[in-house]
Amino acid sequence: DVKVTQSSRYLVKRTGEKVFLECVQDMDHENMFWYRQDPGLGLRLIYFSYDVKMKEKGDIPEGYSVSREKKERFSLILESASTNQTSMYLCASSSEIPYRGGYTFGSGTRLTVV
Amino acid sequence: AQSVTQLGSHVSVSEGALVLLRCNYSSSVPPYLFWYVQYPNQGLQLLLKYTTGATLVKGINGFEAEFKKSETSFHLTKPSAHMSDAAEYFCAVSEDAGKSTFGDGTTLTVKP
Repeated sequence: DVKVTQSSRYLVKRTGEKVFLECVQDMDHENMFWYRQDPGLGLRLIYFSYDVKMKEKGDIPEGYSVSREKKERFSLILESASTNQTSMYLCASSSEIPYRGGYTFGSGTRLTVV
Repeated sequence: AQSVTQLGSHVSVSEGALVLLRCNYSSSVPPYLFWYVQYPNQGLQLLLKYTTGATLVKGINGFEAEFKKSETSFHLTKPSAHMSDAAEYFCAVSEDAGKSTFGDGTTLTVKP
């Protein structure tokens, strides 16, 4: 069964900590994405990547960075966690081929910053 | 630029009744359209997609959607609701095989 795996379902971190959220996909997908989901705000795109070592800012990149050293892995980094980054983080991947379109999502990481 | 509007943040139906979740989009090019479902504390799961070809698309769990270009709509339907259909549903549009823009979601409640 193909899938996207996020390393943690729940995380609690302290303000100011550097936080790594890991995402791995086994579908050989070219595209990978990081979203955050908050009640009433829907899904907001943080960063995305269409290829290894490539990254593009999404709609809300401030306070975040990403790394894609290998095709299957896309990491989200919170350089200095703040309470307003408490959220559900969703990783997704997709093929670059249109008829194969649609995201495959991971199960999400619920991050709490205290 | 692409955008998605889901009409109604909450929809409630009785078990066995028709489910209709509305989605309108805007896109400067022929779009790719998707519906996703999210159960509590889980990621989103692809229900169905329109990429090309037949405008009536069938998905998992008995759902289907029809792409109507003239109305810029992609409404999701199911003839008979089941209790297990209670979830949040998201419509999304993409102008290529890359990033999608999501609607704000519609929470479906199914009453016994």
